[in-house]
Amino acid sequence: ELKVEQNPLFLSMQEGKNYTIYCNYSTTSDRLYWYRQDPGKSLESLFVLLSNGAVKQEGRLMASLDTKARLSTLHITAAVHDLSATYFCAVTTITGTASKLTFGTGTRLQVTL
Amino acid sequence: DSGVTQTPKHLITATGQRVTLRCSPRSGDLSVYWYQQSLDQGLQFLIQYYNGEERAKGNILERFSAQQFPDLHSELNLSSLELGDSALYFCASSGSGSPNYGYTFGSGTRLTVV
Repeated sequence: ELKVEQNPLFLSMQEGKNYTIYCNYSTTSDRLYWYRQDPGKSLESLFVLLSNGAVKQEGRLMASLDTKARLSTLHITAAVHDLSATYFCAVTTITGTASKLTFGTGTRLQVTL
Repeated sequence: DSGVTQTPKHLITATGQRVTLRCSPRSGDLSVYWYQQSLDQGLQFLIQYYNGEERAKGNILERFSAQQFPDLHSELNLSSLELGDSALYFCASSGSGSPNYGYTFGSGTRLTVV
């Protein structure tokens, strides 16, 4: 069974600092996703990583994928308070038209002034 | 607005009751997925439908069932409700079973069982 682990579970960081969230998964996966969730809200898609070595950047967030190590990272550059949220990685296994998205535990990010 | 519509937004019901959650996928999307988010279990995949047929199943309880109708909307039926079923239930949709562009999530239905 596919397992997805994230660390840390909770991250408190100061504005302006850099940090990385790690996502490990246990078996071969077809795609990796990063989502953001604000408290009580829906899941907002941030990145879709499709292949080994993929790197995507949007603003202060950059995601990368190493399929050989089964590892993805979400790097935060010069954090600002607006980035405070819970971040989830998720991996999917696809067989024809069947797909199953398995989520990590989530990393709750709190950016303080 | 993500384009995925879930109703109702909030639902409070008593133990032992049955409820139906509804989801309308984004226009043109054929796949609908249901997820449960609770504090102790995190985000759990329940079930996927593609163009009216069940395609993938996760940790869905026997008391829960789902279907997708010809107009592609989907319903999740939860019966014999227990306190532990209190959670956020999300629906997501994608263009096919191979979501290169990710899954689009609805705003969720918050179910409280009292």
